[in-house]
Amino acid sequence: ETGVTQSPTHLIKTRGQQVTLRCSSQSGHNTVSWYQQALGQGPQFIFQYYREEENGRGNFPPRFSGLQFPNYSSELNVNALELDDSALYLCASSPSGGRRTEAFFGQGTRLTVV
Amino acid sequence: GESVGLHLPTLSVQEGDNSIINCAYSNSASDYFIWYKQESGKGPQFIIDIRSNMDKRQGQRVTVLLNKTVKHLSLQIAATQPGDSAVYFCAEQVNAGKSTFGDGTTLTVKP
Repeated sequence: ETGVTQSPTHLIKTRGQQVTLRCSSQSGHNTVSWYQQALGQGPQFIFQYYREEENGRGNFPPRFSGLQFPNYSSELNVNALELDDSALYLCASSPSGGRRTEAFFGQGTRLTVV
Repeated sequence: GESVGLHLPTLSVQEGDNSIINCAYSNSASDYFIWYKQESGKGPQFIIDIRSNMDKRQGQRVTVLLNKTVKHLSLQIAATQPGDSAVYFCAEQVNAGKSTFGDGTTLTVKP
């Protein structure tokens, strides 16, 4: 196990609703990245948070937003849900000062939009 | 633009054989290239990485080869086991945590 936990594990929402997904990073990790993984595809980078500030963003609209808290846990918020938002949402935490490529993924939250 | 792709979506091998999974990338500016393994119901798991100034790196039963001339990356798994069955992704990395993933190769190991 990676020590990165995500909640909930599964979620069903209706188009137009809002959703909040949560991630607890591994102890000592101050960087959290969020990815969207559609079925049969590789994960796509949404954004990254470092010490509570957004530190880079992928090609996702503003209705995807996030937060990082002082304990380095993080939230992903998606407003005005669309059917295409149905995917596995992955959170990855990374240590500061560690090996550059170290990223530990949680098991993901499976979001279904109906 | 950035893109990372894999040559074959599926690969089936016999237990004990060696596996080779290939990947083509387009961004020459990436510092690191990484291979991940994703089992059903789990998040990606780091296998091995290689810095862009290297051409080969070995781990336990795995070897990654990088050919910058043709922008090609490969993962070799020695003595493939049933537990190696999973989806394998190559990814290129700009900095820690920000990776661009390809679409994956599903490896099936037949007993």
